[in-house]
Amino acid sequence: GENVEQHPSTLSVQEGDSAVIKCTYSDSASNYFPWYKQELGKGPQLIIDIRSNVGEKKDQRIAVTLNKTAKHFSLHITETQPEDSAVYFCAATPNQAGTALIFGKGTTLSVSS
Amino acid sequence: NAGVTQTPKFRVLKTGQSMTLLCAQDMNHEYMYWYRQDPGMGLRLIHYSVGEGTTAKGEVPDGYNVSRLKKQNFLLGLESAAPSQTSVYFCASSYGLYTHYEQYFGPGTRLTVT
Repeated sequence: GENVEQHPSTLSVQEGDSAVIKCTYSDSASNYFPWYKQELGKGPQLIIDIRSNVGEKKDQRIAVTLNKTAKHFSLHITETQPEDSAVYFCAATPNQAGTALIFGKGTTLSVSS
Repeated sequence: NAGVTQTPKFRVLKTGQSMTLLCAQDMNHEYMYWYRQDPGMGLRLIHYSVGEGTTAKGEVPDGYNVSRLKKQNFLLGLESAAPSQTSVYFCASSYGLYTHYEQYFGPGTRLTVT
């Protein structure tokens, strides 16, 4: 089955800097890769996702890149702000009914002003 | 429009006790899910449902049962709680399969089993 590794587990940056979180997956059949943001005391919220037929996707200050050959994908946050502080989870899954979304263990991002 | 709500928010159980967690969504979503989140871990799928009256096992189904008698509700039951079930439980829902439609998560239920 699928296994997702996420690094780093914690990341501290200064406001305005960029943050990069990396994930690797094991199942070459996986073709959907979402990223979730979880603020303290809340449930996760989808912030961006990418499918295997796309190499990069951007949404304002957030971008995700996918390298299918190397089986890794990354979240890039530019011009970080204190409100970006949260736990970020990557996930992967094959596009098949009945298969679970497999999550990484999470990255705690702290943005200091 | 409340989205996804979970009841209760907190609960403490003794080993061997039973309880039911309730999830409700008002978005007319077909798919509903139960996850558990443990410290330093990502979310793991316990059970899910693709429509009223249907349920299926996820990654970690042992020790849990679920029911989806109404489209808007998804119940998670623990028949005989164990300390290993101490966790934060999240319910989620989506219009269709999560690979094509966003999952919306509830605020979570923190369960402690002593």
